[in-house]
Amino acid sequence: DIQMTQSPSVLSASVGDRVTLNCKASQNINKYLNWYQQKLGEAPKLLIYNTNNLQTGIPSRFSGSGSGTDYTLTISSLQPEDVATYFCFQHNSWPTFGAGTKLELK
Amino acid sequence: QVQLKESGPGLVQPSETLSLTCTVSGFSLTSNSVHWVRQPPGKGLEWMGIIRSGGSTDYNSALKSRLSISRDTSKSQVFLKMNSLQTEDTAIYYCVYGPLFDYWGQGVMVTVSS
Repeated sequence: DIQMTQSPSVLSASVGDRVTLNCKASQNINKYLNWYQQKLGEAPKLLIYNTNNLQTGIPSRFSGSGSGTDYTLTISSLQPEDVATYFCFQHNSWPTFGAGTKLELK
Repeated sequence: QVQLKESGPGLVQPSETLSLTCTVSGFSLTSNSVHWVRQPPGKGLEWMGIIRSGGSTDYNSALKSRLSISRDTSKSQVFLKMNSLQTEDTAIYYCVYGPLFDYWGQGVMVTVSS
């Protein structure tokens, strides 16, 4: 199985900051990488699919990049409503999720 | 409008079998795949398995011996059955649809406890 490693596990940032979350796969996943946002008590919400495609209705401050084994989610200007846990997810082969990055306000 | 809704018992005894139902609307099970994903309290997400449009299934290798996914297309329902439950199976169970894994049910909390 492909292992997905997210870093950092916890990130504290201020409103307006540019924030970068990382996800590393144990092997090449050919850009089949999604990012999800999960707020407390809610189901995960798809933000980015296949590395860099913004899901409909998601604010443009969210963007994704990467290739091979290394992927990044960037929030260009952090907003209070972005406080959540973010998961990466690969669907190149048997699907696997990262352990998540908890994003907090400083 | 695509919707998925999970249902099932909130409490299951250890060693017993879990049965969950995912009722879908807005799409056809004969044209699309549905996945099951679970999340233990405060922890990450685990893909459990898939039932494809043609009815074939695949399972997470860690759960394969205990897990079965089936469906009733006439009722637009997908079923999950998992036996020999242990406390570590306590989790929120989600059904998920979409080639991009973009539609999620609200989830159903299952507690394994005596």
